[in-house]
Amino acid sequence: AQSVTQLDSHVSVSEGTPVLLRCNYSSSYSPSLFWYVQHPNKGLQLLLKYTSAATLVKGINGFEAEFKKSETSFHLTKPSAHMSDAAEYFCVVSAYNQGGKLIFGQGTELSVKP
Amino acid sequence: NAGVTQTPKFQVLKTGQSMTLQCAQDMNHNSMYWYRQDPGMGLRLIYYSASEGTTDKGEVPNGYNVSRLNKREFSLRLESAAPSQTSVYFCASSAVETQYFGPGTRLLVL
Repeated sequence: AQSVTQLDSHVSVSEGTPVLLRCNYSSSYSPSLFWYVQHPNKGLQLLLKYTSAATLVKGINGFEAEFKKSETSFHLTKPSAHMSDAAEYFCVVSAYNQGGKLIFGQGTELSVKP
Repeated sequence: NAGVTQTPKFQVLKTGQSMTLQCAQDMNHNSMYWYRQDPGMGLRLIYYSASEGTTDKGEVPNGYNVSRLNKREFSLRLESAAPSQTSVYFCASSAVETQYFGPGTRLLVL
């Protein structure tokens, strides 16, 4: 069975400093992995996805994530945080051979201080 | 192209009342999903529909029913609402693996 664990429930950074949101996954198969972002009182928006092509995946708004099979990790990074990045971020794995079902992590709330 | 739309945006119910949450997508996707979001628990799948005419239970289906009315529309029904169903409900659709989400319905059951 697949699962994801987001290692931090809350991360706080200062504007202009790097962002690191950590995610570990568990999968018996080569997984498809996603990061979604949810701004307050909004729906979820896809940031980026990994589907077994390049291990470094670039997404929208300057975010990127690196798939590391040896560490079973898919951490999300951004070199310089902006106030508009404050949101909740979800690491997600696609359930293998189950009609496109997704399995969500519990979420990491990112705060950005001026 | 509106993507995924949901109605209503917000609803208050009394325990025992029924209601239907509506979802529609205009991206010609085969698969549609209903999730609930509760604090600290991420999103949990209630029901999904892999194609028109089929529906399957997800992780937390108890107390809910669904109807895949046609390719565009997928509704979620609460027959007898309970306070434990207070949550934010999201509908999503997908063509392959990437899911696209609606703006959500906030439901409060008193």
